[in-house]
Amino acid sequence: DAKTTQPTSMDCAEGRAANLPCNHSTISGNEYVYWYRQIHSQGPQYIIHGLKNNETNEMASLIITEDRKSSTLILPHATLRDTAVYYCIVRVAEDYKLSFGAGTTVTVRA
Amino acid sequence: DAGVIQSPRHEVTEMGQEVTLRCKPISGHNSLFWYRQTMMRGLELLIYFNNNVPIDDSGMPEDRFSAKMPNASFSTLKIQPSEPRDSAVYFCASSSGQVSYNEQFFGPGTRLTVL
Repeated sequence: DAKTTQPTSMDCAEGRAANLPCNHSTISGNEYVYWYRQIHSQGPQYIIHGLKNNETNEMASLIITEDRKSSTLILPHATLRDTAVYYCIVRVAEDYKLSFGAGTTVTVRA
Repeated sequence: DAGVIQSPRHEVTEMGQEVTLRCKPISGHNSLFWYRQTMMRGLELLIYFNNNVPIDDSGMPEDRFSAKMPNASFSTLKIQPSEPRDSAVYFCASSSGQVSYNEQFFGPGTRLTVL
């Protein structure tokens, strides 16, 4: 039973912002939203996580809607190296499991 | 920081042979995870260790699979006997602290092919 829904794939132009949506309409009050990505032939890489407030780090920004039923990962200036599968995951803090769905395959084009 | 180290990076073996995959977590991390990735099933958690103790092995497919963590800096995943359906990429990951929402750091994976 998938807790998140993401588009299968999306393209974006190099140098432009990439906005990756994720729906998690059944999220519980104590569940966090996490984003990981997996570049081809590499292990998954943590990007960012948040509970309610918007978050930003050196890699990306995470915008969570007020009702917390959806979120958007923003890569501010996509580069070719950002081509990867991006996974949106929800889990409670006490849960050690990362349940990876199919993710969104993002292709950054020159 | 070397990150999570896995060996070998590639392993090709014949059905029935024993396979041992190795992992060195990031120094100071006290949680270690073994995952398996296939096209059909995606990324699956096989086993989780905390402070060298197996906490959850419910993802281990069957008795042919076993994992050990004899100390804080080393873990093995063994398949005996191996079967073609075990072909996959196996990832080891580690994280720090007792708080589970700490990020997991993944190794580069071991690509296993069983002929």
